[in-house]
Amino acid sequence: EAGVTQFPSHSVIEKGQTVTLRCDPISGHDNLYWYRRVMGKEIKFLLHFVKESKQDESGMPNNRFLAERTGGTYSTLKVQPAELEDSGVYFCASSQDRVFRELFFGEGSRLTVL
Amino acid sequence: AQSVTQPDIHITVSEGASLELRCNYSYGATPYLFWYVQSPGQGLQLLLKYFSGDTLVQGIKGFEAEFKRSQSSFNLRKPSVHWSDAAEYFCAVGIYTGTASKLTFGTGTRLQVTL
Repeated sequence: EAGVTQFPSHSVIEKGQTVTLRCDPISGHDNLYWYRRVMGKEIKFLLHFVKESKQDESGMPNNRFLAERTGGTYSTLKVQPAELEDSGVYFCASSQDRVFRELFFGEGSRLTVL
Repeated sequence: AQSVTQPDIHITVSEGASLELRCNYSYGATPYLFWYVQSPGQGLQLLLKYFSGDTLVQGIKGFEAEFKRSQSSFNLRKPSVHWSDAAEYFCAVGIYTGTASKLTFGTGTRLQVTL
């Protein structure tokens, strides 16, 4: 069974450009989460989807970040325009239920903004 | 608000030695507690979790953790470290609101294993 897949694994862009990160959850997992780790700091929650609905987006840092999950399958996280402080590793995770019984993380997408 | 503290940023142990990674949390209710490991080039892998019941939790790869409510701690232990355990370890507390859920992580502890 395929795990959580994220791509690109690494993206290098200039400040002001746009980047779109994609996450493919495990098949059948209704719950999808985005987290990010800025260099040297803790991994922080961004948002939680249940199917295509945003259940909690309290961690989204500002309106330059847009997450979507059309059709309740894969999700995208767009950063537009990117700023230097957006550099970090963006993790996606998925689970069947909402109560952490089995939460599977992807390998992360590293974003470098120059 | 909930928070997690991992006081040790970097720990070095010799292969075969015992290991204890510290984790303290702050949360008003009974917490869901987790330890994750990230090896180079890999995603986050769940080592173990505590929801309720026995406060000593066994995980994968020979790890265990003990929940101590009085100390707000959930320290990770391994009796004998292997070189392959070199990785970064994250403690986390889980919050479930009834409709949504999220993890709050500590800053991580990087483990180096010397041969």
